[in-house]
Amino acid sequence: GQQLNQSPQSMFIQEGEDVSMNCTSSSIFNTWLWYKQDPGEGPVLLIALYKAGELTSNGRLTAQFGITRKDSFLNISASIPSDVGIYFCVVRDNYGQNFVFGPGTRLSVLP
Amino acid sequence: EAQVTQNPRYLITVTGKKLTVTCSQNMNHEYMSWYRQDPGLGLRQIYYSMNVEVTDKGDVPEGYKVSRKEKRNFPLILESPSPNQTSLYFCASKPGQGYEQYFGPGTRLTVT
Repeated sequence: GQQLNQSPQSMFIQEGEDVSMNCTSSSIFNTWLWYKQDPGEGPVLLIALYKAGELTSNGRLTAQFGITRKDSFLNISASIPSDVGIYFCVVRDNYGQNFVFGPGTRLSVLP
Repeated sequence: EAQVTQNPRYLITVTGKKLTVTCSQNMNHEYMSWYRQDPGLGLRQIYYSMNVEVTDKGDVPEGYKVSRKEKRNFPLILESPSPNQTSLYFCASKPGQGYEQYFGPGTRLTVT
């Protein structure tokens, strides 16, 4: 099946720092989603991207849908302790309703 | 409160003993889905359902069964569990045309 690659796998940052993470695929996808999973919880949608080149913000979060439709980036500005968790990029199969998750980027924020 | 519920939250069982994990949503969503989460692999889709009596395989359906007899319920059935099905399982639902899935709290299954 399709595979997504996320980098970095994990990161430790100081509170107040900015964070960047990305997601790549060998296939083209028409919709890219970013979810966050808090410890002990199910994932929650952060941002949805529907158009190649699109840049979308949600508070301190900004995500971009790559122009090639094979990648996406998520940036978090001025990190805070509640940003801790696992961030997943997700795509929907172009032919149906099968959703594919990347392996995730685990973020730790040090006070 | 709009939510997806799963039961049980934790389950320890033995190889070969049939089990069912229930999932229910109160948002009148057409779409429901089951995922398993394993370290380093993200969430992998097991089965999904577009509506009542309509189910499709996801990426890892082997060893699992589902049914969708009512819109609100989507149980996951393991007829003969094996240790490689030890995992954290999530149920999710969404409106038919939307992209945002709402996830349940998860069920941690251990098969010995």
